[in-house]
Amino acid sequence: ETGVTQTPRHLVMGMTNKKSLKCEQHLGHNAMYWYKQSAKKPLELMFVYNFKEQTENNSVPSRFSPECPNSSHLFLHLHTLQPEDSALYLCASSPSRQGNRGGNEQFFGPGTRLTVL
Amino acid sequence: ELKVEQNPLFLSMQEGKNYTIYCNYSTTSDRLYWYRQDPGKSLESLFVLLSNGAVKQEGRLMASLDTKARLSTLHITAAVHDLSATYFCAVDIFGNEKLTFGTGTRLTIIP
Repeated sequence: ETGVTQTPRHLVMGMTNKKSLKCEQHLGHNAMYWYKQSAKKPLELMFVYNFKEQTENNSVPSRFSPECPNSSHLFLHLHTLQPEDSALYLCASSPSRQGNRGGNEQFFGPGTRLTVL
Repeated sequence: ELKVEQNPLFLSMQEGKNYTIYCNYSTTSDRLYWYRQDPGKSLESLFVLLSNGAVKQEGRLMASLDTKARLSTLHITAAVHDLSATYFCAVDIFGNEKLTFGTGTRLTIIP
């Protein structure tokens, strides 16, 4: 399998549930990202991991908990979400965030469509 | 804080016509990216522009970058229906490679 994959593709959960989103990249990249895309809002960066270390937390509520066990895998653990958290969650990867003069083009996975009831 | 603005936000155009989408950004940078998103789908990378005056073309799409004006354009030539999508530009700054996205331009091509 190539590129960036995400599972599940669709998820419906209640506000008291705990679930996890998974992202895997097969591009040999060192940086991985979580984004949230809501209707009628710009794409929002949530977290950045570079060489497995979290380098950015964009004021995300603690009910979202990221985990990056290695450079190829990224998880987003969800608990006690709110209906307004319903959105498309996109994972992306890029070569690195460490001063790459060749640019830092990000490659996106297909996304997980999350609905919180 | 880096801000990225696109215009127009919505664009309906007839097949066969030409049009341009504009992307302005607020801070000096020579790293700009264009993405395409189909409804309900993910973002697909279209162009990477890494220097002043950079121009790239793929099919009916051509992107350019003017770093002095802090402006990039995405030009559509002789539009066809399968170009209907939302187009995003994004900018990052060397040494702080967090991509900042524009709000997107929803393009609809009418037969």
